[in-house]
Amino acid sequence: QKEVEQNSGPLSVPEGAIASLNCTYSDRVSQSFFWYRQYSGKSPELIMSIYSNGDKEDGRFTAQLNKASQYVSLLIRDSQPSDSATYLCAVKGVGRDNQGGKLIFGQGTELSVKP
Amino acid sequence: NAGVTQTPKFQVLKTGQSMTLQCAQDMNHNSMYWYRQDPGMGLRLIYYSASEGTTDKGEVPNGYNVSRLNKREFSLRLESAAPSQTSVYFCASSEIRGLKETQYFGPGTRLLVL
Repeated sequence: QKEVEQNSGPLSVPEGAIASLNCTYSDRVSQSFFWYRQYSGKSPELIMSIYSNGDKEDGRFTAQLNKASQYVSLLIRDSQPSDSATYLCAVKGVGRDNQGGKLIFGQGTELSVKP
Repeated sequence: NAGVTQTPKFQVLKTGQSMTLQCAQDMNHNSMYWYRQDPGMGLRLIYYSASEGTTDKGEVPNGYNVSRLNKREFSLRLESAAPSQTSVYFCASSEIRGLKETQYFGPGTRLLVL
């Protein structure tokens, strides 16, 4: 089982709809969770981070975390064509000797928002 | 403030050739990383450096070596390139505050090994 799993997509939604991106992780002690957006041919950029169970909202983006189910999701409301990109889920665990864990990335979900 | 810079942007190598990918950051971050990205595989960690003078292996270190030259610079070396190393390589540096970590990525190096 991969440590961080995402559906690779592509996920296609019409403009104005809600896009829902999902991610599961295997390490129960993971404490920090991130969503990165990557446009085609570009480098990833951080768009959301979440550390405790529940929802965290930032503009049109909402991250949801359920540690019991080892599940993190990203909702994009009022999706725009400019949201078309690959979304990478990343999970950070607890590292050895309190040095901090490394980020483990999922394979990414490609989102396409159709006008 | 350039952030994270990488050179070169593109490179074509023949099997067996060697090369060094350069990375530098001007954000005074302690942690730096090298990833490779292949279609459908996401980002896979090759090596990382938690601080100047330290390096550690990631998920896919075979065929690579790294040097943390100083706090700003972290280089990745391919001693004898193989076609399996054809990929896009990203360098990143991190700002870490407890649980909170923001990784900043360079623009990437696209490597083709023939």
